[in-house]
Amino acid sequence: GAGVSQSPSNKVTEKGKDVELRCDPISGHTALYWYRQSLGQGLEFLIYFQGNSAPDKSGLPSDRFSAERTGGSVSTLTIQRTQQEDSAVYLCASSPRPSGGQETQYFGPGTRLLVL
Amino acid sequence: GENVEQHPSTLSVQEGDSAVIKCTYSDSASNYFPWYKQELGKRPQLIIDIRSNVGEKKDQRIAVTLNKTAKHFSLHITETQPEDSAVYFCAARRSGNTPLVFGKGTRLSVIA
Repeated sequence: GAGVSQSPSNKVTEKGKDVELRCDPISGHTALYWYRQSLGQGLEFLIYFQGNSAPDKSGLPSDRFSAERTGGSVSTLTIQRTQQEDSAVYLCASSPRPSGGQETQYFGPGTRLLVL
Repeated sequence: GENVEQHPSTLSVQEGDSAVIKCTYSDSASNYFPWYKQELGKRPQLIIDIRSNVGEKKDQRIAVTLNKTAKHFSLHITETQPEDSAVYFCAARRSGNTPLVFGKGTRLSVIA
């Protein structure tokens, strides 16, 4: 079936503008994650949604970052008043309902954000 | 919280040789350790994972070993091929669907 999809694939914006990044998880997956990958770096956790529970926002780097997940499916990551240090690849991942074990996270292709 | 260290940051091997990448973690409650492969411009793809109730797992040319006492785990690739060239990330997490904590990655180059 279809994997995790993200849009746009690339986004160039000017410093100070707001941006919205979209993630469509695999159908039926209850968990959704946002990570950030700066050039040549590892993946940094941002925010995590699990079903109807309150999201884990502990990885968000500042209050300019927010995310929501509507209807338990699509998620939007919003960055307000973008700064040059926000330039990175933003990766979304999803995983199925926990079944007593460890569930694999499947990644989307990412959105490459460049803030000029 | 969890902290994952990964070494080396870059690794070059001759085609046909073996490659070993090592990771250490800090949280003794972590019990799931996946490895992801990321080719240039592509998404990370899971290649193998190991849970804390086993010490070793193998899938064709790829194997992962886990030492819970020492809190380290390693990826072993045998008979390397040029298509193994990529960045490899290790990760760790506690039980359930919690977020993964990633190492900083190893850039593997297999020289033909």
